[in-house]
Amino acid sequence: KAGVTQTPRYLIKTRGQQVTLSCSPISGHRSVSWYQQTPGQGLQFLFEYFSETQRNKGNFPGRFSGRQFSNSRSEMNVSTLELGDSALYLCASSSTGYGYTFGSGTRLTVV
Amino acid sequence: AQKVTQAQTEISVVEKEDVTLDCVYETRDTTYYLFWYKQPPSGELVFLIRRNSFDEQNEISGRYSWNFQKSTSSFNFTITASQVVDSAVYFCALSEASYRDSGAGSYQLTFGKGTKLSVIP
Repeated sequence: KAGVTQTPRYLIKTRGQQVTLSCSPISGHRSVSWYQQTPGQGLQFLFEYFSETQRNKGNFPGRFSGRQFSNSRSEMNVSTLELGDSALYLCASSSTGYGYTFGSGTRLTVV
Repeated sequence: AQKVTQAQTEISVVEKEDVTLDCVYETRDTTYYLFWYKQPPSGELVFLIRRNSFDEQNEISGRYSWNFQKSTSSFNFTITASQVVDSAVYFCALSEASYRDSGAGSYQLTFGKGTKLSVIP
């Protein structure tokens, strides 16, 4: 059974640009959550999608957005990148809503 | 609001020593889930255990054991006879349900800051 796949693994962007990260959940999992990990703030919840609907959102500015497709794959987008957006972005999928399998993450560096 | 505290930032032990990682949580809910994850240098969060708030039984899995005590809001993790491969950052996390108007439950994980464990050969 394939795990959670996140692409790309590494990304370097310039301030002001936008970026899209992709997450393919485990087959059959309908819930996809996104987390940001930074050395200063640790792991923080961004949002959760279930059946193409955003079910929950963390305390992040509107520059952070996401969506989920009918096949449960999810993308998150960050517009107008800031240096502080440099982080490891982790995606997690779940079938039950309370058990999570994480991907290897996308490490975003903003220069 | 929910909160998870891992007071130990970094721990170093010599191989084969036992080590306990502490986790204290705060929540107003009666139904919640507690987790431990391991994060090796590769970055992926590896699931270790999940406990629901109604199950206070301690659990042992190989060299790992967990002590859940609701009276002290703690969920501690012990590694027996540590090995170099245990070196990683360990996160404790709490999940509560938040319900939207539709009644559909959505769970989000609140993580502690993590404990970096270094096992020295």
